[in-house]
Amino acid sequence: SQTIHQWPATLVQPVGSPLSLECTVEGTSNPNLYWYRQAAGRGLQLLFYSIGIGQISSEVPQNLSASRPQDRQFILSSKKLLLSDSGFYLCAWSAGLTGFNEKLFFGSGTQLSVL
Amino acid sequence: GESVGLHLPTLSVQEGDNSIINCAYSNSASDYFIWYKQESGKGPQFIIDIRSNMDKRQGQRVTVLLNKTVKHLSLQIAATQPGDSAVYFCAENEDPDSSYKLIFGSGTRLLVRP
Repeated sequence: SQTIHQWPATLVQPVGSPLSLECTVEGTSNPNLYWYRQAAGRGLQLLFYSIGIGQISSEVPQNLSASRPQDRQFILSSKKLLLSDSGFYLCAWSAGLTGFNEKLFFGSGTQLSVL
Repeated sequence: GESVGLHLPTLSVQEGDNSIINCAYSNSASDYFIWYKQESGKGPQFIIDIRSNMDKRQGQRVTVLLNKTVKHLSLQIAATQPGDSAVYFCAENEDPDSSYKLIFGSGTRLLVRP
């Protein structure tokens, strides 16, 4: 069965510090990978998605970047965090474009607080 | 984790009653819709999905209804239980030609009274 791992669960970082959140998927190959952010009391905002190694699409201009160094690894980064980067970050995966299966499976999330 | 749903519309129901959570979507080209349940501090969990060639789909205790005429989606939960308390999100695939991403609504908080 497929599993998705996301860490850390919580993170407190000072403004201006770097960020690296990691997500890995097991039990599937060539998944689509996603990073979403959720502000308190809000819905999920799509930040990045990737359909393959090295292929990253950015949905909104921001202080963050994403990378996919391996097929089942997705990393969210920042060189210098802003206060507005605080939020709940969710990694997700879906089956590759081999059929009509757009269902997303989410990780457990990382609560990032920038102080 | 941080609590979600602080400013969300809230539906309060009595345990055992049926719940109906509504969602409006804006893009008539959307061809796939999905409901998620999110408990505080956790990632969303898949509940049920439906394609635009259907108007109803049933799961275990849940039913999704799709009205394409008025672009409305609803989630019905039968015999609501305390464990159903969570924030519920609808999502749509706005661009059928690019089935990579889902766009989420703002969510509804469901509170189940014992």
